[in-house]
Amino acid sequence: GESVGLHLPTLSVQEGDNSIINCAYSNSASDYFIWYKQESGKGPQFIIDIRSNMDKRQGQRVTVLLNKTVKHLSLQIAATQPGDSAVYFCAENNGDSWGKLQFGAGTQVVVTP
Amino acid sequence: GAVVSQHPSRVICKSGTSVKIECRSLDFQATTMFWYRQFPKQSLMLMATSNEGSKATYEQGVEKDKFLINHASLTLSTLTVTSAHPEDSSFYICSARLDLRAFFGQGTRLTVV
Repeated sequence: GESVGLHLPTLSVQEGDNSIINCAYSNSASDYFIWYKQESGKGPQFIIDIRSNMDKRQGQRVTVLLNKTVKHLSLQIAATQPGDSAVYFCAENNGDSWGKLQFGAGTQVVVTP
Repeated sequence: GAVVSQHPSRVICKSGTSVKIECRSLDFQATTMFWYRQFPKQSLMLMATSNEGSKATYEQGVEKDKFLINHASLTLSTLTVTSAHPEDSSFYICSARLDLRAFFGQGTRLTVV
């Protein structure tokens, strides 16, 4: 995704429900993707990653899906909890030898009781 | 997990002075570190790639004489904001690369008065 963030889209989720955060990327050469969680005033925290030779990867309460055909990435959070409230960023690496990441605009997730 | 420590977390400085921010990988060696800048409600903007033992590579539009980067060892990179002005006030974040993954420091809130 392009980091054009002039404002953050917001996803409101009720506690206990599943969350789905979407990300579109534009570079078909990107071969590695990461999801980060950023709480207010803190640095991004690694959640899960996926390589382009995979379509799905699961972690603890999180699943990342990659659709290379439409250049789409999603993060699913199961049984969303108040502690999941944060901004979520997808990031892609286009094979850059240094491992530079291009960040998406981010999505603000707000968990309501 | 890999830990990246950034110091200081907050700094207020007078206009015209210089500020140094440190980024340390605590439990791994990082040949490559990255420096980002983030404005409120926006995504991370890559400023430069810092490689141990060589000159940093700056992204387009980032003044290398303004933002001095030194990567003197495999566990430490520093960013010095020289002759700071109020427009340099921002949230600065570093990351260190371990294999494909990038782990982030907690960020530094710089306020120039």
